[in-house]
Amino acid sequence: SQQGEEDPQALSIQEGENATMNCSYKTSINNLQWYRQNSGRGLVHLILIRSNEREKHSGRLRVTLDTSKKSSSLLITASRAADTASYFCATFYNTDKLIFGTGTRLQVFP
Amino acid sequence: DGGITQSPKYLFRKEGQNVTLSCEQNLNHDAMYWYRQDPGQGLRLIYYSQIVNDFQKGDIAEGYSVSREKKESFPLTVTSAQKNPTAFYLCASSGTGLGGYTFGSGTRLTVV
Repeated sequence: SQQGEEDPQALSIQEGENATMNCSYKTSINNLQWYRQNSGRGLVHLILIRSNEREKHSGRLRVTLDTSKKSSSLLITASRAADTASYFCATFYNTDKLIFGTGTRLQVFP
Repeated sequence: DGGITQSPKYLFRKEGQNVTLSCEQNLNHDAMYWYRQDPGQGLRLIYYSQIVNDFQKGDIAEGYSVSREKKESFPLTVTSAQKNPTAFYLCASSGTGLGGYTFGSGTRLTVV
């Protein structure tokens, strides 16, 4: 399996603080995606960054990609309690299936 | 509203029993996927299908079977050969290209 790895595995912060989680992957990629999963629910697609992009923004989300280091980071600015969830990065393997990382569990305290 | 529907939400299986998890999408997506998630873990790919009447094994296909007779439907059967089936099962679909996946809300399977 070409699964990526997120770091840290768990992160606890206060509301208003920024949350940063990192993802490392093993093979060359076409794009990298970030997903969110609330407890006991399905995953929701957050953002996609292509291999020729270095940074992408969507609302309070900022994603960076460093293909030379095979790594990506997801920054959530001004976190809210509602951001409490698990966050996964995912990359395509052999261009026909998305392989997910192990996830970062984010807890935002009011 | 377009989306993916998984049913049932909760499922209990007795030892030696086969059970089938339903996944239906009305997004007109060509590709569909089944993932397994164990507590505190990431997702592992079981089976996937890119077109009707065709599917491929993922990383953990042993003890599972699928069919893809209709574009909208991709049921997963957990057979008695799967020795540790208790997990959260997620179905997803995607259109053409390397875009994002749309997920269902999952089925939690428990062996009793």
